[in-house]
Amino acid sequence: NAGVTQTPKFRILKIGQSMTLQCTQDMNHNYMYWYRQDPGMGLKLIYYSVGAGITDKGEVPNGYNVSRSTTEDFPLRLELAAPSQTSVYFCASSFSRDRYNSPLHFGNGTRLTVT
Amino acid sequence: AQKVTQAQTEISVVEKEDVTLDCVYETRDTTYYLFWYKQPPSGELVFLIRRNSFDEQNEISGRYSWNFQKSTSSFNFTITASQVVDSAVYFCALSEAEYGNKLVFGAGTILRVKS
Repeated sequence: NAGVTQTPKFRILKIGQSMTLQCTQDMNHNYMYWYRQDPGMGLKLIYYSVGAGITDKGEVPNGYNVSRSTTEDFPLRLELAAPSQTSVYFCASSFSRDRYNSPLHFGNGTRLTVT
Repeated sequence: AQKVTQAQTEISVVEKEDVTLDCVYETRDTTYYLFWYKQPPSGELVFLIRRNSFDEQNEISGRYSWNFQKSTSSFNFTITASQVVDSAVYFCALSEAEYGNKLVFGAGTILRVKS
């Protein structure tokens, strides 16, 4: 059982380049999320999805786009990379909201540097 | 608005000491969920505990214990007889029932356990 898999693990981009961070999960979770973690800070929500075809903005969505064509995959797109997007990106998934609010399962992160 | 404050930026202890990590939260919702995650030096995020707002019972799991007090909006985490392997960043997080599983994280507390 792989859980949440993120690729790549590391990436260096030049300003203005674009890239897609991949995230896939094999737990049949319908909720998926993208967070970023800046040095010395907690995680901030970028985008989330409650199911295939449904996405919504989180706290810091500017400069990013997402899509959710399948239950398993939730890629994050950076169109015009900026130094402010240097961060560690975490993908997560969970079951639907229920009375007990199931925990998020996180991938191992993608460390992105924009220079 | 929801907010999580972890006032302790960094704590250093000697092995076998007990240590308490503080977490104070703000929410207007009556139904909410609190979480603790551990981030070891390898970088992954490990789920430790989830607590809903209707359950104020303290919980103990091995050397870990959690004290939830609604009266002071706190959800503190104690490690008894700390070990070097406990060295990590610990995050407290909050989600409100109205907003599904979207977590708001505190800034984290770095715990260093010295042998």
